[in-house]
Amino acid sequence: KAGVTQTPRYLIKTRGQQVTLSCSPISGHRSVSWYQQTPGQGLQFLFEYFSETQRNKGNFPGRFSGRQFSNSRSEMNVSTLELGDSALYLCASSWRVGEQEETQYFGPGTRLLVL
Amino acid sequence: GDSVTQMEGPVTLSEEAFLTINCTYTATGYPSLFWYVQYPGEGLQLLLKATKADDKGSNKGFEATYRKETTSFHLEKGSVQVSDSAVYFCALQRSGGYNKLIFGAGTRLAVHP
Repeated sequence: KAGVTQTPRYLIKTRGQQVTLSCSPISGHRSVSWYQQTPGQGLQFLFEYFSETQRNKGNFPGRFSGRQFSNSRSEMNVSTLELGDSALYLCASSWRVGEQEETQYFGPGTRLLVL
Repeated sequence: GDSVTQMEGPVTLSEEAFLTINCTYTATGYPSLFWYVQYPGEGLQLLLKATKADDKGSNKGFEATYRKETTSFHLEKGSVQVSDSAVYFCALQRSGGYNKLIFGAGTRLAVHP
C-alpha cells in the first residue's frame, strides 16, 4: 500500500506570495493532519480534516488555511508569506479520528523556503 | 495543557552501546504515547507506540514502557548501530474527537563506528 505522498517536495517563494501544498493520504484513510516543523518551534499542529470538514485547528494565524476533498486528498494554503513561514510542512493520515490509539502516518514533507 | 519533555541532545554513542532517551509527559486522562524517528531529509516514521499503562512498545530492537506512575515513556535499545543515527521524537495523543499529536523537542542521536 502506498504511503502518504506530498507535493511538491521543495518550494522557494518570496515574501508576500502565497503557496499551496498538497497531500494524498494512504488509501482508505479519511483523516489528514498538517504539522509545521521549524528548528525554533519544533513540530506544531496546524489543523486536521476529516470527511472534508476541519475538525481542529492549532494556534496559527488565519493566513494558514486548508481544505479536504471528497477523495480525502488535502491541500494547505499559506497567504502573504513571511520569512518565518520557512519550514518543513508535514502531512499525516489516519483511518479514524478521535481515538487516542489511532496511529498517524507521515509523508516526507514539503520544505518551503521564503526569501 | 498537555506537553512532552525529552532529554536534550545530541546524544553521541559508539556502535553497540546502550541507548536511553528520556521522555516524560503531562496530560489529563490516559493518552497514547508514541516514538517517531526522523532520518535526514525525510518525514517522520512511527517507531513504536503504547496505548495504556504498563504497555511495552517494541520495534527494531527499540523498546519503551508506558509508566503512568512516573508519567514517562523512555526509549531504550540494547545495542545501537550507525544506521540508528537520526532524530527521535516522543509524542502523545489524547482522545476527544480529534487527532492531534503533541511532540517533544526531539533528541538527535549520533552513533559512531
